[in-house]
Amino acid sequence: RKEVEQDPGPFNVPEGATVAFNCTYSNSASQSFFWYRQDCRKEPKLLMSVYSSGNEDGRFTAQLNRASQYISLLIRDSKLSDSATYLCAVNLYSGGGADGLTFGKGTHLIIQP
Amino acid sequence: EPEVTQTPSHQVTQMGQEVILRCVPISNHLYFYWYRQILGQKVEFLVSFYNNEISEKSEIFDDQFSVERPDGSNFTLKIRSTKLEDSAMYFCASSYYDSPNYGYTFGSGTRLTVV
Repeated sequence: RKEVEQDPGPFNVPEGATVAFNCTYSNSASQSFFWYRQDCRKEPKLLMSVYSSGNEDGRFTAQLNRASQYISLLIRDSKLSDSATYLCAVNLYSGGGADGLTFGKGTHLIIQP
Repeated sequence: EPEVTQTPSHQVTQMGQEVILRCVPISNHLYFYWYRQILGQKVEFLVSFYNNEISEKSEIFDDQFSVERPDGSNFTLKIRSTKLEDSAMYFCASSYYDSPNYGYTFGSGTRLTVV
């Protein structure tokens, strides 16, 4: 199972600012990509899937760059409640069944008032 | 919103003992998963389960681990002879579809402490 790499941070960002972070994956056969949010000692919660054409959900924008094998997450107008660890997850999807996700270690984001 | 329920929330066990971690997936979901997260480390895939059998397992999921769906609602992870390094948060997850472009719903986890 190949690796998924993220800058662990922490990213300290003032409230209202825009912040972006990337995640690189090593297996070019990876098929599906996700961003999860994890609060301290809680379960990961799906933030958004990442589609080839890029996608947006409110203040959050995700991009996929297959050629360079990275995905990105942009958060606009950051809120205090955005403080969390953001996990990148990648799935190979061999088509044979329910493949597991490979997670990065996460990027810790702290929004400061 | 439907939830994945895990019990217990925290389990302390002595090294060498067997533990069973329990999960109730979302009722109409078809795919079930166990992940673990050692404190300060990344979330790691253990096993996936579909149609009453293991679909995929990682190298972590060795002979001391087993999974079962004993009835229509529960999904369990058994660790036969716990080691200190099994101490971690164990997350159950479920999904209706297999994985492409769909994420899962995770349960709130069971914190396993092996002493």
